[in-house]
Amino acid sequence: GIQVEQSPPDLILQEGANSTLRCNFSDSVNNLQWFHQNPWGQLINLFYIPSGTKQNGRLSATTVATERYSLLYISSSQTTDSGVYFCAGATDSWGKLQFGAGTQVVVTP
Amino acid sequence: SAVISQKPSRDICQRGTSLTIQCQVDSQVTMMFWYRQQPGQSLTLIATANQGSEATYESGFVIDKFPISRPNLTFSTLTVSNMSPEDSSIYLCSVASGGARETQYFGPGTRLLVL
Repeated sequence: GIQVEQSPPDLILQEGANSTLRCNFSDSVNNLQWFHQNPWGQLINLFYIPSGTKQNGRLSATTVATERYSLLYISSSQTTDSGVYFCAGATDSWGKLQFGAGTQVVVTP
Repeated sequence: SAVISQKPSRDICQRGTSLTIQCQVDSQVTMMFWYRQQPGQSLTLIATANQGSEATYESGFVIDKFPISRPNLTFSTLTVSNMSPEDSSIYLCSVASGGARETQYFGPGTRLLVL
């Protein structure tokens, strides 16, 4: 299966700061998603983004498929942004997602 | 997006017993998957739940340990059999309404602690 590498593993931000999370894939993917796992364990889908750029409020994501990486931008961070951010990709015809190890984000007031 | 519920939300079980987890979706979906998240770890795919046929298991997971049923397009169960403390994890189901190139949505998870 593909290898999914996320960086950084941990991130501490002051409220209001901006940050960039990165996800590298060992192979081309036909399905790429970013998730946020809140402190209660719920996994929330942020973006389905196998290529291109998308924005949703203070979050945006860019995937450069030819270079096998994706970036998640958090702007004007808030304490509610705390949690673990996962990227996941699939290369098969069923959508079996391979997850990265995650980036633990802590936003302090 | 699909609304997914899981039962139970959490449980504490004794080693050697089995627990069946249910996943219910509010609409018909093509794909249903089961994932495991061990404490402090990422998610690992256990199997794809196939409607009307045997589930497709990933390397390291076997049917005897994790039997899965999917009787229709809105419901699936995962059983964790003959449990040991190493099975303590969050178990999550996910669904995609279309095929591989679709957004996947996750249920709230079942937190399992095995003593």
